[in-house]
Amino acid sequence: QKEVEQNSGPLSVPEGAIASLNCTYSDRGSQSFFWYRQYSGKSPELIMFIYSNGDKEDGRFTAQLNKASQYVSLLIRDSQPSDSATYLCAVVYTGGFKTIFGAGTRLFVKA
Amino acid sequence: EAQVTQNPRYLITVTGKKLTVTCSQNMNHEYMSWYRQDPGLGLRQIYYSMNVEVTDKGDVPEGYKVSRKEKRNFPLILESPSPNQTSLYFCASSFARDRTYNEQFFGPGTRLTVL
Repeated sequence: QKEVEQNSGPLSVPEGAIASLNCTYSDRGSQSFFWYRQYSGKSPELIMFIYSNGDKEDGRFTAQLNKASQYVSLLIRDSQPSDSATYLCAVVYTGGFKTIFGAGTRLFVKA
Repeated sequence: EAQVTQNPRYLITVTGKKLTVTCSQNMNHEYMSWYRQDPGLGLRQIYYSMNVEVTDKGDVPEGYKVSRKEKRNFPLILESPSPNQTSLYFCASSFARDRTYNEQFFGPGTRLTVL
């Protein structure tokens, strides 16, 4: 059974701080890794994707992937109250487009 | 406007009454997928489709059917709904040309209640 694990939170950080969100996955056949943001009552929207080991930066967001440790993380720098949402980690597996989502981490950014 | 649409957005029905939730995308995406979202469980994939007439099971396919007769449409069918299918359902689509990247675009969701 393929699994994607996230700390459900809530994670609370002050405005301007760095928020660190973590995700582990069970299957080494995993191919692509995605972070989606979901505001309450809304649909998920893509924040970042990564498929090579290392860091990938996009504005205030940095995704980190370590395939040896089966670990992917998302760092949000200079956190804003508008970043308050649930962050979903998703893993796409080799050989197809079967997608497994983690249960999500709720982030609160306090003004 | 590029989008994924779902209908209906809200539905209350009774056990055993067949229903269909429609999903349509206007982005010429090959890949389409259905998810259900339940508190504490996140998004779970029900079925997905790589292209017309090509579908496969996700993690929770029991009690659901799908069809992909046209590229733009991917309806979700509940032949005999039961209360444990009460959930928030999302349809998603993406390009499938590059297997290393498939950003999925999500529809607005359908909140289904089965009494």
